[in-house]
Amino acid sequence: LAKTTQPISMDSYEGQEVNITCSHNNIATNDYITWYQQFPSQGPRFIIQGYKTKVTNEVASLFIPADRKSSTLSLPRVSLSDTAVYYCLVGDGSGSARQLTFGSGTQLTVLP
Amino acid sequence: DGGITQSPKYLFRKEGQNVTLSCEQNLNHDAMYWYRQDPGQGLRLIYYSQIVNDFQKGDIAEGYSVSREKKESFPLTVTSAQKNPTAFYLCASSIPSSSGEINQPQHFGDGTRLSIL
Repeated sequence: LAKTTQPISMDSYEGQEVNITCSHNNIATNDYITWYQQFPSQGPRFIIQGYKTKVTNEVASLFIPADRKSSTLSLPRVSLSDTAVYYCLVGDGSGSARQLTFGSGTQLTVLP
Repeated sequence: DGGITQSPKYLFRKEGQNVTLSCEQNLNHDAMYWYRQDPGQGLRLIYYSQIVNDFQKGDIAEGYSVSREKKESFPLTVTSAQKNPTAFYLCASSIPSSSGEINQPQHFGDGTRLSIL
């Protein structure tokens, strides 16, 4: 069963770059790493997904080292509206969603 | 706009009563999922379905039932056997990969909050 570990919370100031790291020591060969953002009383929203090295889109970058045992979500120049819970999700390698668990996530608080 | 609609937003259940949560999607996705989220916790998978007329149990399926008679609909019934049903319930959908793996990004509804009277 793939398990992810993230910091429980992080604080940042507006305009700063924020890096949230997730460790997934048991990631399987065929698993991707996916990050989601969740605001209170809403469903999670997809941010970015990657398999290895670096992936960048219009809102974030995802850095994955060669051993793939961790990943770092990078949010450039955060604003107050980026205050949310961020989850990393890794499949369990079985090809099945049966054991899919998001973990507790990281509460990011952006301060003015 | 395409998306996932969950209803109702708030639901109350009496002891011993079954309740059904609705989830409808117009994204033409084959795969659909139900999650439960408790306060301050992450999401846990209840059931998922990768195609019409087929569904599989997740890690916490006891006390829940689902059906998948139509591609766009995946209702969840919380039965009286679920002794602690108070939670935030989230429905999601995705395009399944050709191998059936669950790596495709999921699109979520805005949830139903269930409480016990």
